[in-house]
Amino acid sequence: NAGVTQTPKFRVLKTGQSMTLLCAQDMNHEYMYWYRQDPGMGLRLIHYSVGEGTTAKGEVPDGYNVSRLKKQNFLLGLESAAPSQTSVYFCATGDRGVNEQFFGPGTRLTVL
Amino acid sequence: AQSVTQLDSHVSVSEGTPVLLRCNYSSSYSPSLFWYVQHPNKGLQLLLKYTSAATLVKGINGFEAEFKKSETSFHLTKPSAHMSDAAEYFCVVTGRTGGFKTIFGAGTRLFVKA
Repeated sequence: NAGVTQTPKFRVLKTGQSMTLLCAQDMNHEYMYWYRQDPGMGLRLIHYSVGEGTTAKGEVPDGYNVSRLKKQNFLLGLESAAPSQTSVYFCATGDRGVNEQFFGPGTRLTVL
Repeated sequence: AQSVTQLDSHVSVSEGTPVLLRCNYSSSYSPSLFWYVQHPNKGLQLLLKYTSAATLVKGINGFEAEFKKSETSFHLTKPSAHMSDAAEYFCVVTGRTGGFKTIFGAGTRLFVKA
């Protein structure tokens, strides 16, 4: 079992470029989450999904879009990247909202 | 509203001495509480969780935490630190408040001296 995987692992973008981060899970979990991690701020929830075809906004959703077309995949899109989006992005999954989450290895994104 | 405060941004201990990482929370509902550990350039790994069962929770690698409702605290402890414990630790609160919220603390970096 691969668990939770993220692609790519690293990416450098120029301001205004777009990209999509992919999260894939083989744990059959209903819930999936996208977080960003910045120094001294812990992890902040960007968007989440409680099942296939559903998405909801988290704490810091502006500048990001998501889609959950298949249960096992959760995509995070940046339509027009900004330097403020330089961060490490983590995907997580869970079987219920109040249970523990399982994290991917992260994607380090730099926007120049 | 829910919130979580980790009282120390950095903690330094000597190998073999006790570890105490402090976490206070605020929640309008009975919360679920977690501690996660993150080693450098890695994802987060669950250490332990409290979900309204026993108030003293035992986790992996000798860590444990005690849920104290009267003090709204969920401090993480370990009797004897090991060099491999050096990492960042996150206290997390989850619960339904008219929707769904997971709130992470800012993290405590643990340094272990030889």
